[in-house]
Amino acid sequence: SQKIEQNSEALNIQEGKTATLTCNYTNYSPAYLQWYRQDPGRGPVFLLLIRENEKEKRKERLKVTFDTTLKQSLFHITASQPADSATYLCALSYNNNDMRFGAGTRLTVKP
Amino acid sequence: DAGVIQSPRHEVTEMGQEVTLRCKPISGHNSLFWYRQTMMRGLELLIYFNNNVPIDDSGMPEDRFSAKMPNASFSTLKIQPSEPRDSAVYFCASSPRQGPTYGYTFGSGTRLTVV
Repeated sequence: SQKIEQNSEALNIQEGKTATLTCNYTNYSPAYLQWYRQDPGRGPVFLLLIRENEKEKRKERLKVTFDTTLKQSLFHITASQPADSATYLCALSYNNNDMRFGAGTRLTVKP
Repeated sequence: DAGVIQSPRHEVTEMGQEVTLRCKPISGHNSLFWYRQTMMRGLELLIYFNNNVPIDDSGMPEDRFSAKMPNASFSTLKIQPSEPRDSAVYFCASSPRQGPTYGYTFGSGTRLTVV
């Protein structure tokens, strides 16, 4: 069956460090992968999209990689800040139509 | 733009009652999605529409769930009769076009509690 797994439910890091979140998938062949941020009591907010033929995408302090051989995406936040604390969700395209979401990783950045 | 607007924000209802959740997508967005989020199952796609037409409703859990999109600016998700296991946060999202090339814009969700 198709699965999307995000590493650990929670990740705690110190302010200023780089946070690295992992998204692994099985039995998918997504052409697109997206990352979202979700704060408590709110809907997910779109951050980045990466295509299968792109190895890496950057946006300000964010970097996403997409390895279709390993079936894995890494999401990095450099120079992390307490305001980056949130749950981060990866989403994969399914049949090139809709997006299916992982369970998310809750990131806490401590001052 | 006000974003995707959902109502109500919170709904508490008794088992067996009918519940209707509402969504107004972003103007000009052609695709609309209904998701349900729980601690156990995460964010699950229930149904999505493109140009007001239901495309895939395979995620709708049971016949008790139905969704409509009578026009480009309004959609409803109805549960009749409601059951305690339907308790969850229901999100509506919209996207400019069908397909995964655009990020989705989510509403703030409706927290449904069925007692």
